Amino acid sequence: AQSVTQLDSHVSVSEGTPVLLRCNYSSSYSPSLFWYVQHPNKGLQLLLKYTSAATLVKGINGFEAEFKKSETSFHLTKPSAHMSDAAEYFCAVTVRNQGGKLIFGQGTELSVKP
Amino acid sequence: NAGVTQTPKFQVLKTGQSMTLQCAQDMNHEYMSWYRQDPGMGLRLIHYSVGAGITDQGEVPNGYNVSRSTTEDFPLRLLSAAPSQTSVYFCASSQTGVSNQPQHFGDGTRLSIL
Repeated sequence: AQSVTQLDSHVSVSEGTPVLLRCNYSSSYSPSLFWYVQHPNKGLQLLLKYTSAATLVKGINGFEAEFKKSETSFHLTKPSAHMSDAAEYFCAVTVRNQGGKLIFGQGTELSVKP
Repeated sequence: NAGVTQTPKFQVLKTGQSMTLQCAQDMNHEYMSWYRQDPGMGLRLIHYSVGAGITDQGEVPNGYNVSRSTTEDFPLRLLSAAPSQTSVYFCASSQTGVSNQPQHFGDGTRLSIL
């Protein structure tokens, strides 16, 4: 069965420093993986997706993620944090042969200090 | 461009009351789904639909009913509300149920059951 584990429930960085949000997945086949961001009192917005093309995926707002099959990881990074990046981030995997069903990780709250 | 619209945004119910959470999308998407979000648990799938007239259960369907009479609308019904159903509910849609397609989320309904 597919599953997703986000390794940190909370990450705090200073503005201008790099961001690393960690996600490991479990899947018996090549998965489709997504990162979503949720700002307070808002829905989820797609940051980027991996769908078996390039392993380094670029998303919106300067974020990118690298799919590493050998490590079953899909970590999200950004070179320089901005105050507006403070939000909750979710990693998700889709379920094979079950269409758009998404399995979400528990979420990582990102705080950005001035 | 409205996208996915959820109403109401907030609701307080008493135990045993019933209500319907509304979800509408204007993107002609075939696939629609309902998730609930609880602290530390990410989002969990309640019910989903791959097209008008077709619905199926997700991970946590108990206590909820759905129907899909049109492509645009996918209401979620609580027949007899319980405090355990206090949560934030998100509706999502995607063009089809293909696993590599991202889902578009509404802004959520925040529901409290007293």
